[in-house]
Amino acid sequence: NAGVTQTPKFRILKIGQSMTLQCTQDMNHNYMYWYRQDPGMGLKLIYYSVGAGITDKGEVPNGYNVSRSTTEDFPLRLELAAPSQTSVYFCASSPDTGELFFGEGSRLTVL
Amino acid sequence: QKEVEQNSGPLSVPEGAIASLNCTYSDRVSQSFFWYRQYSGKSPELIMSIYSNGDKEDGRFTAQLNKASQYVSLLIRDSQPSDSATYLCAITSWPGFQKLVFGTGTRLLVSP
Repeated sequence: NAGVTQTPKFRILKIGQSMTLQCTQDMNHNYMYWYRQDPGMGLKLIYYSVGAGITDKGEVPNGYNVSRSTTEDFPLRLELAAPSQTSVYFCASSPDTGELFFGEGSRLTVL
Repeated sequence: QKEVEQNSGPLSVPEGAIASLNCTYSDRVSQSFFWYRQYSGKSPELIMSIYSNGDKEDGRFTAQLNKASQYVSLLIRDSQPSDSATYLCAITSWPGFQKLVFGTGTRLLVSP
């Protein structure tokens, strides 16, 4: 089992560019999440999904979009990147126990 | 008021001592409570969960929950340098596990 796989691990964007962070899990978990973590800060929930076709906003959804067409995949789309979106992004999945299994993170810099 | 509050630290303890990490929360309907450990540059990993008042022990770790006072704590006995990490408190804001809200974390430093 690979667990939760995120790509890319590092990316530099220019202001106004768009990109998609990919997230795939092979544990057949229904719940998936996207968090961002700024330096010295905790995790802020961006979006989450309780199953294929169902997504909902978290604490900081502005500037992001998600989709969940399959159980395995939960991509995060950044439209019109801004410096405030410079952060480390974590994707996670859960079997509905509160235990989140995290990917290794994607470090994004917007210049 | 933040939903989940933690002292950012660092909390410094000598090797072999007990480290006590605290977390308070504002939502009285919070149901489930978790402690995650995050090493520098790594992703968080679950170390403890607790759902009812009282203590829950797992090896060197003890989680304590007091819903009336709205706090949850983590005790680490016989602290080791390898315990040096940031400890994140997380809660679910309403029944179920759909939405986990994290605190900012407490950095723990265990000196040899």
